[in-house]
Amino acid sequence: AQSVTQLGSHVSVSEGALVLLRCNYSSSVPPYLFWYVQYPNQGLQLLLKYTSAATLVKGINGFEAEFKKSETSFHLTKPSAHMSDAAEYFCAVSGLQGGSEKLVFGKGTKLTVNP
Amino acid sequence: NAGVTQTPKFRVLKTGQSMTLLCAQDMNHEYMYWYRQDPGMGLRLIHYSVGEGTTAKGEVPDGYNVSRLKKQNFLLGLESAAPSQTSVYFCASSLQGRAGPRFYEQYFGPGTRLTVT
Repeated sequence: AQSVTQLGSHVSVSEGALVLLRCNYSSSVPPYLFWYVQYPNQGLQLLLKYTSAATLVKGINGFEAEFKKSETSFHLTKPSAHMSDAAEYFCAVSGLQGGSEKLVFGKGTKLTVNP
Repeated sequence: NAGVTQTPKFRVLKTGQSMTLLCAQDMNHEYMYWYRQDPGMGLRLIHYSVGEGTTAKGEVPDGYNVSRLKKQNFLLGLESAAPSQTSVYFCASSLQGRAGPRFYEQYFGPGTRLTVT
């Protein structure tokens, strides 16, 4: 079965600093991986997705993630944090469970950006 | 194009009451999903549907029922609400293409915040 582990339930950075949110996955088949962002009191919005094309994936708002098969990782980065990046971020892996394709989410990482 | 909409946005129920949450999508998506979000737990799949007239259980289906009578609507029912069902509920939908549904992103609604007292 597929699973996702997000390291760190809370991450705090200063405005302008590097953002690094960690995600490790487990999958018995080539995975499709996603990062979603949830702003306060809103639904989830797709940041980026990996679907076995390029290993470095660029998303919206300056975020990118690199798929590393050898490390089973799909970490999310942004070179310079902005106050508007404060949100909760979810990594997800799409896989086969119970005979159907489903999305399995990590528990989330809440990002705080300090002025 | 409204995307995925959910009704209501907020609701307070007493233990034992029933209610139905409505999800509607206007993107002609085949797949629809109901999740619940609880602090520190991420999103957990309650039920899902791979097409009109079909439903299936997810990770945490107990205490919930669903129906998909029309392609664009997916209803989540609580027959006898319990305090453990206090949560934020999200509906989502996705395409079903030749690459399979897992290739495509899920589009989420804004959520329904439910409190059971």
